[in-house]
Amino acid sequence: GAGVSQSPRYKVAKRGQDVALRCDPISGHVSLFWYQQALGQGPEFLTYFQNEAQLDKSGLPSDRFFAERPEGSVSTLKIQRTQQEDSAVYLCASSLTRGGLTLNEQFFGPGTRLTVL
Amino acid sequence: AQSVSQHNHHVILSEAASLELGCNYSYGGTVNLFWYVQYPGQHLQLLLKYFSGDPLVKGIKGFEAEFIKSKFSFNLRKPSVQWSDTAEYFCAVNAEDYKLSFGAGTTVTVRA
Repeated sequence: GAGVSQSPRYKVAKRGQDVALRCDPISGHVSLFWYQQALGQGPEFLTYFQNEAQLDKSGLPSDRFFAERPEGSVSTLKIQRTQQEDSAVYLCASSLTRGGLTLNEQFFGPGTRLTVL
Repeated sequence: AQSVSQHNHHVILSEAASLELGCNYSYGGTVNLFWYVQYPGQHLQLLLKYFSGDPLVKGIKGFEAEFIKSKFSFNLRKPSVQWSDTAEYFCAVNAEDYKLSFGAGTTVTVRA
């Protein structure tokens, strides 16, 4: 497709369940980012991939959060043993070039709204 | 780490009124600056960006923003808003790395 796609768009999980959120970046985009957006807040950085390499995972809030991009295209964000505080919109973004000051625009997907009951 | 503050949480305007949204960031070095917009039910879209050069940048839909380095500001403006400008607006900063740091957002409601 022409843009970044994410699935599912909505996910309801019971506390303690594991969830997996998928991101399909724009074809050919080297960089992929995950952000978490809590209600009433701006997106906050979680992790960054350059092709299949996860170069930065400093924003992941706990070791229950895990992300991968094994073939350098599709990425999955997995949250184990979900907690209520994990409820948020999870945004994926991709960019054509590698990170740095010459960074091109990040294109965002529609997000996955996760609600943990 | 850089931080971004947006001065207004919610702005309500009438059509044809002028709009200015404030954005300040805290970082002393070189920055890239962005304004993103999120229309109801849609994803984040880039409105405009500043990398270097002319500090007055023009974006889509008649929006512009001015980078004032001495004030660490990147305020967004539109001379005459339309009902379709109702959306949430986010200022974001990229400072010497790949991460975007976002402000909390400003909800703009334009009344017809």
